Order: sequence, then C-alpha cells, then structure tokens
Amino acid sequence: DTAVSQTPKYLVTQMGNDKSIKCEQNLGHDTMYWYKQDSKKFLKIMFSYNNKELIINETVPNRFSPKSPDKAHLNLHINSLELGDSAVYFCASSQGQGSSTGELFFGEGSRLTVL
Amino acid sequence: KQEVTQIPAALSVPEGENLVLNCSFTDSAIYNLQWFRQDPGKGLTSLLLIQSSQREQTSGRLNASLDKSSGRSTLYIAASQPGDSATYLCAANDYKLSFGAGTTVTVRA
Repeated sequence: DTAVSQTPKYLVTQMGNDKSIKCEQNLGHDTMYWYKQDSKKFLKIMFSYNNKELIINETVPNRFSPKSPDKAHLNLHINSLELGDSAVYFCASSQGQGSSTGELFFGEGSRLTVL
Repeated sequence: KQEVTQIPAALSVPEGENLVLNCSFTDSAIYNLQWFRQDPGKGLTSLLLIQSSQREQTSGRLNASLDKSSGRSTLYIAASQPGDSATYLCAANDYKLSFGAGTTVTVRA
C-alpha cells in the first residue's frame, strides 16, 4: 500500500497549457509539501500545508496554486506553463511541522516536460 | 538563508569499503537533520533523522553524527554493498528543510 502517491507520473504538454498534479497520503500525517527537483537534481521546497493551512510559500510564481481539500490530499495546479517549469515535482508528508517535523515520506515524483 | 553543502559530489568505492559522506550547513540553529537516499527515477527514502539534541543516530549499517555548533553532519555506511549505490541527500530543518545537492555513490562489485 503506497504511503504517498502522486499522479500522474509523467506529463508532457505544450507551453501555455494548464496542468494539475494530485497527491494523497495514507500515513495520517498532518503536514504535506511540494518540492521541485530541477535538472541539476537540486531539491527545493515550494509549499507546505499543515492541517489544510498554508504554512510555507516560497518564492514561487503565482501561476502555481496548491490546494489542500483535506489533510490527506495536496494538489498542485500550474497555469500558463513555461519551458522553465520542466522538472520533477515531489509530494511529501510528515507528522508535525517546524521544530517538530518528523521524518519526511516522499512520493515517486511527477516528471513534467513542457515543449 | 540556510545553505547546505555535500562533499564529495560523487564517490566510487569497491564493495566492502566503509563510506563517509559529509554534509555542512551554514546556520547552526536547526531543529533536526535528515539523511535520505534517492534511487534513479524514484522518490526520496528517509534513512535517519537526528534531533538537534542528539549527537548521533544509528540504523543497521548506517550511522549519522551531528555537530550542530560546527554545522556538520556525517553519514557512515559500513561494509558497503552494490545495493548501496544511490544518491544520498541531507536536509537541515530550521523551520523548513533545506537540501544539499547530494553525493552520488557507486559501489563496485
């Protein structure tokens, strides 16, 4: 039973399109994250939600809009896709946040290619 | 702004050798530090989490030490095996996790 699952695994789309990535965790964690891993494999946090509330919002273009309908789900919608958005997007979850952040569990990643 | 550096960027060793992976962070006011493993095309798997009050943490052949005052953590992997080949990342938590670029390890049979 997959702990953190994200769909789709691969997206190939044209510049200017809108796309969504969905994430679900069955670990009962209260905090979920979106990370972006670029072509140099550097992993950078984008957003973090705790109990459906946004707690971390890094310097991300407002074309990226996360949504957490409940604490087990965190989706990422991207408008007007650009070439530079091509990357692997990882969803993760943990119990606790800030000083009480526990182990992070990651999904398998969603590889987005913008043509 | 927290910056995390991992040296070396890549490492190749024969099977059976012990591995030493280094991680340094610029802001020592961290709550904890985590080590992860990433296999090609896969997500990250948590290996060890060291709280700021701890000096080390062990799990099987893995041992991680933390020297908060000097901004350093080291991951030791004893008696390496080909299955240990992967990229190892550390992440320092000072409210949010900041990741290093990783050390890519190849263990030759």
